[in-house]
Amino acid sequence: QVQLQESGPGLVKPSETLSLTCTVSGDSISNSYYYWAWIRQPPGKGLAWIGSIYYSGTTYYNMSLKSRVTISIDTSKNQFSLKLSSVTAADTAVYYCAREYGGLGKSDYWGQGILVTVSS
Amino acid sequence: QSALTQPASVSGSPGQSITISCTGTSSDVGSYNYVSWYQQHPGKAPKLMIYDVSKRPSGVSNRFSGSKSGNTASLTISGLQAEDEADYYCSSYTTSGTVVFGGGTKLTVL
Repeated sequence: QVQLQESGPGLVKPSETLSLTCTVSGDSISNSYYYWAWIRQPPGKGLAWIGSIYYSGTTYYNMSLKSRVTISIDTSKNQFSLKLSSVTAADTAVYYCAREYGGLGKSDYWGQGILVTVSS
Repeated sequence: QSALTQPASVSGSPGQSITISCTGTSSDVGSYNYVSWYQQHPGKAPKLMIYDVSKRPSGVSNRFSGSKSGNTASLTISGLQAEDEADYYCSSYTTSGTVVFGGGTKLTVL
């Protein structure tokens, strides 16, 4: 059974960098059928796609966040990561990692989500 | 990239059918058959219900179906059940090589 688990600090100070890691178990992150995504959801609001990465390292980013986002992959650890720089209160959200099967936007497995609060 | 447009809320009685619309543009919904639908219960991660406009993942009830016409995709739930009460989100691949979500629709089962 495929499982994804987000990890990282739950509290980040304004202007600092948010860093999260998603550990994948039950499948290889190097499988060519999959992309790996980060999606967030501000409290009480809707879902927003942050970006995705392919096992080769090719990345795809939400244009509105592109200047602040870096997604990377470590196939040896079966993990992928998110860095979001210069955070503000507007970046407070539940952050999900997900597997996208066969193309971007088809997220068939999700992590449980991690709440990240931006506050001093 | 603007969010896809969904109604804020829909409702129906048990056993009835409801349809949720998802309106985009020729740069997203209208360009590809890559629309997905997700169900999200409070405090839970979203669950994929429909992908590629009308395909159901294994294990998803056939009461859920999807379709598309032009720039608008739709999710239909037939034989409404109490456990269908949730938030529903559509998403689409875009011509920019990105993904855009809808604002979400709250389904109330009366």
